[in-house]
Amino acid sequence: AQSVAQPEDQVNVAEGNPLTVKCTYSVSGNPYLFWYVQYPNRGLQFLLKYITGDNLVKGSYGFEAEFNKSQTSFHLKKPSALVSDSALYFCAVRDIQSGSTLGRLYFGRGTQLTVWP
Amino acid sequence: ETGVTQTPRHLVMGMTNKKSLKCEQHLGHNAMYWYKQSAKKPLELMFVYNFKEQTENNSVPSRFSPECPNSSHLFLHLHTLQPEDSALYLCASSQERGRGGPDTQYFGPGTRLTVL
Repeated sequence: AQSVAQPEDQVNVAEGNPLTVKCTYSVSGNPYLFWYVQYPNRGLQFLLKYITGDNLVKGSYGFEAEFNKSQTSFHLKKPSALVSDSALYFCAVRDIQSGSTLGRLYFGRGTQLTVWP
Repeated sequence: ETGVTQTPRHLVMGMTNKKSLKCEQHLGHNAMYWYKQSAKKPLELMFVYNFKEQTENNSVPSRFSPECPNSSHLFLHLHTLQPEDSALYLCASSQERGRGGPDTQYFGPGTRLTVL
């Protein structure tokens, strides 16, 4: 069964420090992995995705994520956090072999990132 | 802006009311989705439409009735809802190519529904 785990409900970092939001996944085949961000009272905004190729994926707003197959992880990172990065972050996975569930994404529960000045 | 719009943005309704949520995508996608987002719960997929055909109904109660008249529009008709149905309802769209690749889902801003 496909699943995504975000082990931390909350991450707090100081502005200017590096940040990491963790994600691990479980799929039966090869994973497609996504990160989304949600600001208050807004929908989810796409940040980046991993399909194949380089394990380090770069996305919007200076975010990047590293795919680690052996650890089944896809952690989101940013070298220098901004107060405006404070939001709810969701990791999602799609199993490309699940032909009967075209388009289905499995989301984690979300991690609230707070960057304090 | 993601190219997916939802109306209304906020809705308050009584348990005996009938209302509809509307979603429109301007991205030329062929698949559309309804999700429910409740406080402190994972995002729940409700319905999937692919080429206007409903391909997934994730055990959603019949008081929620989706309609997809074309690949750009998606509705969620609501009737006799319960207070526990209060949530943020998100619409998304993507360009599905079957096993050809993973397509990013783009989300609308959501409708904040409150059932009294």
